[in-house]
Amino acid sequence: NAGVTQTPKFQVLKTGQSMTLQCAQDMNHNSMYWYRQDPGMGLRLIYYSASEGTTDKGEVPNGYNVSRLNKREFSLRLESAAPSQTSVYFCASSRQANYGYTFGSGTRLTVV
Amino acid sequence: TQLLEQSPQFLSIQEGENLTVYCNSSSVFSSLQWYRQEPGEGPVLLVTVVTGGEVKKLKRLTFQFGDARKDSSLHITAAQPGDTGLYLCAGARDKVIFGPGTSLSVIP
Repeated sequence: NAGVTQTPKFQVLKTGQSMTLQCAQDMNHNSMYWYRQDPGMGLRLIYYSASEGTTDKGEVPNGYNVSRLNKREFSLRLESAAPSQTSVYFCASSRQANYGYTFGSGTRLTVV
Repeated sequence: TQLLEQSPQFLSIQEGENLTVYCNSSSVFSSLQWYRQEPGEGPVLLVTVVTGGEVKKLKRLTFQFGDARKDSSLHITAAQPGDTGLYLCAGARDKVIFGPGTSLSVIP
């Protein structure tokens, strides 16, 4: 099925470890996004990429880096994981943000 | 800072009842989106409304965008257990911001 694919689905890290969350979309969308979702905080934008070759900070970028590898793929990297980064991470894509996003199924990350 | 508020935060109703959830802001949006999120899954787009006063219907769900494009409502008629989930509204201007959600539980 067409859509947004995220890997892995679950991950446990120790404080200080690094990891990369992968995201790929097959809808030929220009824009891609990374969000985190925490209880009581809603969805908060970490980084986004309006088009291939560009990336911009969102609301909560500290501790994260991103790479827009090509039009299909947008990865999120945690260089040195901290317990505050325990969250559920969602990747999304859109043709035009004004008309809505397609989300992946999420990565549940726990940092101990 | 743009903020979107949703009410109620939690709602538990019996199957067959009607309900309305609200999404409010002091900001004007170019469009308003509604999503439903089930446990362990990502949000799924239900509808986008773009014109002030616009009403859209999706089976038993009715969405309305306020005349001033600052607020929206979602009305569900004859709720079913399959409607259970977290309902998120999102307002679009130069960026898209999400409300905190309304958690709906429909009891058989």
